[in-house]
Amino acid sequence: DIQMTQSPASLSASVGDRVTITCRASQTISSYLNWYQQKPGKAPKVLIYGASGLQSGVPSRFSGSGSGTDFTLTISSLQPEDFATYYCQQNYNIPRTFGQGTKLEIK
Amino acid sequence: QVQLVESGGGVVQPGGSLRLSCAASGFTFSTYGMHWVRQAPGKGLEWVAVIRYDGTSKFYGDSVNGRFIISRDNSRNTLYLQMNSLRPEDSAVYFCVGEKSSGLPDYWGQGTLVTVSS
Repeated sequence: DIQMTQSPASLSASVGDRVTITCRASQTISSYLNWYQQKPGKAPKVLIYGASGLQSGVPSRFSGSGSGTDFTLTISSLQPEDFATYYCQQNYNIPRTFGQGTKLEIK
Repeated sequence: QVQLVESGGGVVQPGGSLRLSCAASGFTFSTYGMHWVRQAPGKGLEWVAVIRYDGTSKFYGDSVNGRFIISRDNSRNTLYLQMNSLRPEDSAVYFCVGEKSSGLPDYWGQGTLVTVSS
């Protein structure tokens, strides 16, 4: 199985900050990487697909990059509604695997 | 618009069974691979199972293999998860997820809660 390692596990930041979350795969997954945002009691919402594709309706302050084994999610200027938990997921093969999540909290 | 609506969750005793359903609308269900993903309370996301768009291939996570069965009825636009020999560690919110292709965004339902407890 492909292991997905996300860092950091938690992050404290302020409105307006630039934030980067990283995800590393235990083997190459090309660009088959999704990023999700999840708020308490809600389903995950896809932000980025194919490592860098911005899902329709998602603000342009979100961006994704990387290929192979190393990926990043960047939020260029944090807004109050961005405080949530973020997950990466590889969809290169079965079983699908997720990172352990990054909880983004208000400083 | 795209909708995935899960149902069938509830409280069940250890060793019991439960069948989840996921009703799809707003997209061509019969052309999408479908997954179940779960999330235990306060924990991360865990992939459970997948079924090919035509139902000809199915794969399971190690923790449920041999106990859970994924199936679909394309005439009813519905996905199922038959859960047998349930354990307390199966307690989670179960989400159904539709995936057209690995390189495209997927669709998620709102989830249904399963609690395994005596």
